[in-house]
Amino acid sequence: DTAVSQTPKYLVTQMGNDKSIKCEQNLGHDTMYWYKQDSKKFLKIMFSYNNKELIINETVPNRFSPKSPDKAHLNLHINSLELGDSAVYFCASSQPGLAEYEQYFGPGTRLTVT
Amino acid sequence: GQSLEQPSEVTAVEGAIVQINCTYQTSGFYGLSWYQQHDGGAPTFLSYNALDGLEETGRFSSFLSRSDSYGYLLLQELQMKDSASYFCAVRSLYNFNKFYFGSGTKLNVKP
Repeated sequence: DTAVSQTPKYLVTQMGNDKSIKCEQNLGHDTMYWYKQDSKKFLKIMFSYNNKELIINETVPNRFSPKSPDKAHLNLHINSLELGDSAVYFCASSQPGLAEYEQYFGPGTRLTVT
Repeated sequence: GQSLEQPSEVTAVEGAIVQINCTYQTSGFYGLSWYQQHDGGAPTFLSYNALDGLEETGRFSSFLSRSDSYGYLLLQELQMKDSASYFCAVRSLYNFNKFYFGSGTKLNVKP
C-alpha cells in the first residue's frame, strides 16, 4: 500500500495555464507539506498543514494555493503558470510525537512549463 | 535563519567507507536528519540525531556535534545501490513544522 501518493506523476503544460496536483496519505499523520525541488536538487518547503490548518506559508507567490479538504489530503493549485515553476513538487507527511522528525515523501510530480 | 552546507559530489568504490559532511549555521533546531534520494525517486528517511554522538543503523551511521555545528553520514561497505543523493535536514526550534534541507551530496559508487 502506498503511504503518500501524488497525482499526476508528470505534468506538461503551457505558460499561463492553471493546474492542480493532488496528494493523499494513508498513514494517519496530522501534518502534511509541499516541497519544491529545483533543477539543482535544492529541496525547499512551501507549505505545511496541521490537521487541515495552514501552519507554514513560505515566501511563495500567491499563484500557489494549497487546499486541505481533510487531514489525509493536501492539494496544490497553481494559477498562471510560469517557466520558473518547472520543478519537481513533493508532498510529504509526518506525525507530531515520537517520530516527528521523520517525513514520508510522495513520489513527486514533475512539472514542466513550456 | 538556517543554512546547511554539504559537498556537492563524492565518489567512492564498492566496499569502501565514505563520509558525507553537513555543516550548518542555524539559530536553533531539533536534531539532524538524513535522507537518501535516488535519481527520479522521492527522499527517504535514513537516520536522526537528537543528541550529540553517533547513531548506528546497519551499514549507515550518523554523527552530530552541536558545539562544532557539524554532522556527518557514514556509509560502510558501499554497494552500487548506494549511488544516490544524500540530504541533511534540521527541524526549526522556532517553527515546529518547518524543515530545512541541505544542498545535497551526490554519491557515485564505482565498481
